[in-house]
Amino acid sequence: KQEVTQIPAALSVPEGENLVLNCSFTDSAIYNLQWFRQDPGKGLTSLLLIQSSQREQTSGRLNASLDKSSGRSTLYIAASQPGDSATYLCAVRGTGANNLFFGTGTRLTVIP
Amino acid sequence: DAGVIQSPRHEVTEMGQEVTLRCKPISGHDYLFWYRQTMMRGLELLIYFNNNVPIDDSGMPEDRFSAKMPNASFSTLKIQPSEPRDSAVYFCASSWRLVTDTQYFGPGTRLTVL
Repeated sequence: KQEVTQIPAALSVPEGENLVLNCSFTDSAIYNLQWFRQDPGKGLTSLLLIQSSQREQTSGRLNASLDKSSGRSTLYIAASQPGDSATYLCAVRGTGANNLFFGTGTRLTVIP
Repeated sequence: DAGVIQSPRHEVTEMGQEVTLRCKPISGHDYLFWYRQTMMRGLELLIYFNNNVPIDDSGMPEDRFSAKMPNASFSTLKIQPSEPRDSAVYFCASSWRLVTDTQYFGPGTRLTVL
């Protein structure tokens, strides 16, 4: 079974810093990988989706990379803002499974 | 579109009672998913539907859980009887396609079973 790990579990940074969130997965045979954001008491919002044939995706200040062979993905956030404070989850879809495997998330706090 | 709608947002009930959670997916989406989120286990897929038909219910924990989708715009997740260990946030999500598209999540229902 695919296992998805996110380290660190929590991260605090001062406003304006660039930061990287990490996601690793055990089975490299994936279809795609997604990064989600979850605000307290709310559902998940999709940030970026990377297909297995892609190396990275960008949206505004966010850049997600994918290295299938090493089972890793990173989410880079440039010039962090207090509004970026949330829990960030990565989710991996396997090629043979009808399922998204979620990591446990990284709780990010951006300090003004 | 208003997005995925779930009701109620919060539910507090006593052990042994029946609980029904409701979901309205985004119009035009062919897939509907029910997830459960807990601190211990994170997000887990319970069941998903394609065109109102249940496709994979292997994540449903026990026979106490059941889900229906009588039409394209409505689904329910029922727990009968409820137990304290069912306390969690239950999310509904929908998508147009299964694999290549992102899933759009509702705000969730926070269930507390006393």
